Amino acid sequence: DTTVKQNPRYKLARVGKPVNLICSQTMNHDTMYWYQKKPNQAPKLLLFYYDKILNREADTFEKFQSSRPNNSFCSLYIGSAGLEYSAMYLCASSMPIYAEQFFGPGTRLTVL
Amino acid sequence: GEQVEQRPPHLSVREGDSAVITCTYTDPNSYYFFWYKQEPGASLQLLMKVFSSTEINEGQGFTVLLNKKDKRLSLNLTAAHPGDSAAYFCAVSASNNAPRFGAGTKLSVKP
Repeated sequence: DTTVKQNPRYKLARVGKPVNLICSQTMNHDTMYWYQKKPNQAPKLLLFYYDKILNREADTFEKFQSSRPNNSFCSLYIGSAGLEYSAMYLCASSMPIYAEQFFGPGTRLTVL
Repeated sequence: GEQVEQRPPHLSVREGDSAVITCTYTDPNSYYFFWYKQEPGASLQLLMKVFSSTEINEGQGFTVLLNKKDKRLSLNLTAAHPGDSAAYFCAVSASNNAPRFGAGTKLSVKP
């Protein structure tokens, strides 16, 4: 099974409230990623886990948290959502880090 | 860090015509290159992966060219058909680094 699953598919959040997005894969991939995708923009890498090591991009370091309780699951956590967080959030996995990525269908987050 | 620029953002061609999408990148240490296809409502799916050692890669109905000197990657669809209508994304990575993406090209192939 080469499927990456994301939950929920759609999320509505209020400004200032927390948001938690979930991703799972059963391919035993060692690396899992989160990208933020806005219309007409490139998927922007937010962070990735290599095994249990979290790597966060410098410009989004303060805005996003993540956890990976086991090899299959990875979450993306926003402590206080702002309007600018409205976007599609894409989860992907690969093994090794520079190999082909398998993408989930995305979670569309709308912040009101 | 790596910057990837993809052109054009939109491309409309007739069935049977060729279509060319180009990406330029900045990191000279980039070694792995990818093209992904995303059909409406679907996930990104790998179309082709290219390693720095290979300049020409052929798939079914398309060719990927890598020009390391100019840091340019291109996807050439030789005879487009309506089923090729989708968004296409290039991605570039160096060893031990996560891939960075271009902004995508929405290709429309009209019968």
